[in-house]
Amino acid sequence: QKEVEQDPGPLSVPEGAIVSLNCTYSNSAFQYFMWYRQYSRKGPELLMYTYSSGNKEDGRFTAQVDKSSKYISLFIRDSQPSDSATYLCAMYQAGTALIFGKGTTLSVSS
Amino acid sequence: DTAVSQTPKYLVTQMGNDKSIKCEQNLGHDTMYWYKQDSKKFLKIMFSYNNKELIINETVPNRFSPKSPDKAHLNLHINSLELGDSAVYFCASSRVQTRNTGELFFGEGSRLTVL
Repeated sequence: QKEVEQDPGPLSVPEGAIVSLNCTYSNSAFQYFMWYRQYSRKGPELLMYTYSSGNKEDGRFTAQVDKSSKYISLFIRDSQPSDSATYLCAMYQAGTALIFGKGTTLSVSS
Repeated sequence: DTAVSQTPKYLVTQMGNDKSIKCEQNLGHDTMYWYKQDSKKFLKIMFSYNNKELIINETVPNRFSPKSPDKAHLNLHINSLELGDSAVYFCASSRVQTRNTGELFFGEGSRLTVL
């Protein structure tokens, strides 16, 4: 079993839809969880960061972490065509490198 | 001003050749990384340097050799290129070694194609 599992999609939604992106992981020592967004032909950029279990909201984006289920989610409300990108979950424990999921490719049509 | 810059952006070469990719960051960060992203978008750590010192060296063939002449530069040299080396190689930097927010700043990638 890979350390971080993420459904690669692709996921296609109409503009205005609510999008749910998810990752599961196996290493209970992971403490820090984040979501990166990668546009085509660009490097990933940090979108959201959470520490331990709970929710974090930033505009149209909400990140959730459930450490008991080893499950993290990213919700995008009122999705826009500009949200079309690949979303990568990432996580780590102190002193180790960031481990990425395989990424989910999202397409939002206008 | 580009924060993390890599050169070249595209590289097409024959099997067996040796090639290098250069990376520079002007963010004043002390930790730099090389990641490999395969055709399925899977991003995997290869190396990490902190203040010119190698701190992470994942299971990577020894044909890959990183070099950090100073903390703003991290280069990647690849010997005897193989078909399976075709990928996008990303350089990244961070303020400390994935502490706090775990925010890495990535370059735009160097797309290597081995024929």
